[in-house]
Amino acid sequence: DTAVSQTPKYLVTQMGNDKSIKCEQNLGHDTMYWYKQDSKKFLKIMFSYNNKELIINETVPNRFSPKSPDKAHLNLHINSLELGDSAVYFCASSRWVGQGNNSPLHFGNGTRLTVT
Amino acid sequence: GENVEQHPSTLSVQEGDSAVIKCTYSDSASNYFPWYKQELGKRPQLIIDIRSNVGEKKDQRIAVTLNKTAKHFSLHITETQPEDSAVYFCAPRGSQGNLIFGKGTKLSVKP
Repeated sequence: DTAVSQTPKYLVTQMGNDKSIKCEQNLGHDTMYWYKQDSKKFLKIMFSYNNKELIINETVPNRFSPKSPDKAHLNLHINSLELGDSAVYFCASSRWVGQGNNSPLHFGNGTRLTVT
Repeated sequence: GENVEQHPSTLSVQEGDSAVIKCTYSDSASNYFPWYKQELGKRPQLIIDIRSNVGEKKDQRIAVTLNKTAKHFSLHITETQPEDSAVYFCAPRGSQGNLIFGKGTKLSVKP
């Protein structure tokens, strides 16, 4: 029973296409994230949402647009895919970390995106 | 923003030896310090974390020590086993609440 599930697991597509990755968590968490892990294994945050509201938007091209229909879901849509977008994308969730709360991240299994 | 440095980038030990990975951070307001383990092809998973009001925490063969004055914390693994082979990330919490990941340490435990 996966706590943070993301689909698809693998995504192979051509440059210029538009694709989406879906993420759902059943942990009752308020905060969800998207992280990108490149070929050198660097993990960088892209976005975070708390209760459907955007909290963090790092320097990410406008081609990436997150959407949170409710606090259990955070989807990632990518327009006009480029070769450099090839990476593993991890969704994660945690309890709200405001007011000094310290909650660990729970990661999904990742989506390996390959742009050809 | 938070600057996180992790050393070494690779570490090779013999089975049974100890391994130590160090993480330095820049944001003095950081108050949560976790370590994540990522096996090949898998997701990062929390192995141990420490809050800023304690200096050390142990969980069987794994321990984390924190020096807030010097702004660094370390992961200690004793009696290493081949299944400890993985990439380990430190990830102190930044001012916006998100975890800032170090660049990872690839640990290889040779039988």
